[in-house]
Amino acid sequence: SQQGEEDPQALSIQEGENATMNCSYKTSINNLQWYRQNSGRGLVHLILIRSNEREKHSGRLRVTLDTSKKSSSLLITASRAADTASYFCADSGAGSYQLTFGKGTKLSVIP
Amino acid sequence: GAVVSQHPSRVICKSGTSVKIECRSLDFQATTMFWYRQFPKQSLMLMATSNEGSKATYEQGVEKDKFLINHASLTLSTLTVTSAHPEDSSFYICSASAPDGDQETQYFGPGTRLLVL
Repeated sequence: SQQGEEDPQALSIQEGENATMNCSYKTSINNLQWYRQNSGRGLVHLILIRSNEREKHSGRLRVTLDTSKKSSSLLITASRAADTASYFCADSGAGSYQLTFGKGTKLSVIP
Repeated sequence: GAVVSQHPSRVICKSGTSVKIECRSLDFQATTMFWYRQFPKQSLMLMATSNEGSKATYEQGVEKDKFLINHASLTLSTLTVTSAHPEDSSFYICSASAPDGDQETQYFGPGTRLLVL
């Protein structure tokens, strides 16, 4: 199985700043997905990037994928206090719908 | 669209009892449902994969006789924690997968917090 590893484990920024989180995985993937989890809640799907894509945007989110380095990044621009949450990447291997989650980055956006 | 519900959201039980958790896809038929467990400040760990009408596939180290999964329909899967013990206390999250173009996206339920006394 694969495991995405996020860094940093924790990130604290001021409202309005950009937040960048990175994720690495170990073997070939079909796609990579990013999720947000507010404390004690379920996961919210943010964005899916396919293995043949290099960059994807959704609102204030920008995700990149570098398959040569087996890494992905999530950029949140103009952060807001409501962005405070844990962010997880999860990869899906070829021929499988199962997701393997990384350890997550806990983002704190200070008003 | 693509809403997944779980019930109950929180449950406290005595050691030795069994607890059933329901996972429903409300507005779509799920190809597959997944059950995860999350301990405090940790990531999600896949427990099992469930397809309607067939036996669940359990991950290594997960006892199938302890965590019974029944996938009765394309919109409902249940996880029963049998003879629960304090170490089973955790946050249990289900997800249901749905086609997203040529990919599959997993939509997660809000989770069930289980506390075994």
